[in-house]
Amino acid sequence: NAGVMQNPRHLVRRRGQEARLRCSPMKGHSHVYWYRQLPEEGLKFMVYLQKENIIDESGMPKERFSAEFPKEGPSILRIQQVVRGDSAAYFCASSLLQAGAFFGQGTRLTVV
Amino acid sequence: DQQVKQNSPSLSVQEGRISILNCDYTNSMFDYFLWYKKYPAEGPTFLISISSIKDKNEDGRFTVFLNKSAKHLSLHIVPSQPGDSAVYFCAASENQGGKLIFGQGTELSVKP
Repeated sequence: NAGVMQNPRHLVRRRGQEARLRCSPMKGHSHVYWYRQLPEEGLKFMVYLQKENIIDESGMPKERFSAEFPKEGPSILRIQQVVRGDSAAYFCASSLLQAGAFFGQGTRLTVV
Repeated sequence: DQQVKQNSPSLSVQEGRISILNCDYTNSMFDYFLWYKKYPAEGPTFLISISSIKDKNEDGRFTVFLNKSAKHLSLHIVPSQPGDSAVYFCAASENQGGKLIFGQGTELSVKP
């Protein structure tokens, strides 16, 4: 029973490029969450999605960031025109019900 | 505003002794609390949780205590083992689910 799968594990982008981070939730889980961890900080909530719906995006930056969880396929966190300040570890979590989220290994984004 | 606070960035404990990690929160709407353990370059691993209707939950060597009047929770690890060395995050949510609000983390070091 595979856990939450994130890819890639490491991603390097030049300033101005786009970054696409993928998350496949645990089998049967329909709730997906994205969190960001900046260096020396805790995890910060970004967005909460269910299939084809954004439930809570209160933690998403207003510009350049978007997320989706299509009916088929993984959830995608997309960052357009990346800047150095976007360098962080991005974690995806999934849950069957609303509590007890299980996390993936994360994607470490480095913007050069 | 930091709704969940872990005021001790680090803790060092001798193997076999008790480790006590503390967490304070400000939002009285939080009703579900979780502890996660995190190793470098890995995702957080769920350890133990507690609902606001309880004041204690125990799972093996791990016990979480909740003091609602003080808005304080703690994680006790007894006995501590070197393999417990990691960063521990407490997290809280409203309405038994949805997004998690994380503390900044406490790095536990258990010395042999």
